[in-house]
Amino acid sequence: KNQVEQSPQSLIILEGKNCTLQCNYTVSPFSNLRWYKQDTGRGPVSLTIMTFSENTKSNGRYTATLDADTKQSSLHITASQLSDSASYICVVSATGTYKYIFGTGTRLKVLA
Amino acid sequence: DAGVTQSPTHLIKTRGQQVTLRCSPKSGHDTVSWYQQALGQGPQFIFQYYEEEERQRGNFPDRFSGHQFPNYSSELNVNALLLGDSALYLCASSLALQPTWGYTFGSGTRLTVV
Repeated sequence: KNQVEQSPQSLIILEGKNCTLQCNYTVSPFSNLRWYKQDTGRGPVSLTIMTFSENTKSNGRYTATLDADTKQSSLHITASQLSDSASYICVVSATGTYKYIFGTGTRLKVLA
Repeated sequence: DAGVTQSPTHLIKTRGQQVTLRCSPKSGHDTVSWYQQALGQGPQFIFQYYEEEERQRGNFPDRFSGHQFPNYSSELNVNALLLGDSALYLCASSLALQPTWGYTFGSGTRLTVV
């Protein structure tokens, strides 16, 4: 069964600190993996998209990694800001399908 | 370049009523997917429309139906509303020739059933 699991479920950090969010998936055959940021009550916004051949991709203070062998991805946030407070969702797509498999997200809270 | 537009942004309905939500895809996109997101949960796939036809459907009852118009915009209809239908409804658009790229979400419609 295609599944995407994220950890931790929630996280609280102080402003300026770094953090890493995890995503494990069992989607096969793998096409690509996206990390989205979703502010409360808003639609998800894409941060990064990674294909099988990519190991690392950065978008400003966000860096995503992908290990296709272990089927794991991480999203590292550097020098966190209050505006980083949101849910971060890992989404995996399987080749030949039209659907995206969503993780349940990690809710990040950045405190001043 | 307009992104995905959804309307209305908020809606309150009574149990048993019917509701229609609307979505205009990003310019250049021809495929529209609908998702239901309950509070604190990840989005759940409802269905996807391409060339005015439902191409794929998730595990949702027939009370959920949709339509796509020639201009690629789409509607989501929910009949006989239940309290459990209260959620954020997200629309995402993409390009059929590149189904796994450029998947853009709208800001959603918050539906509350009372």
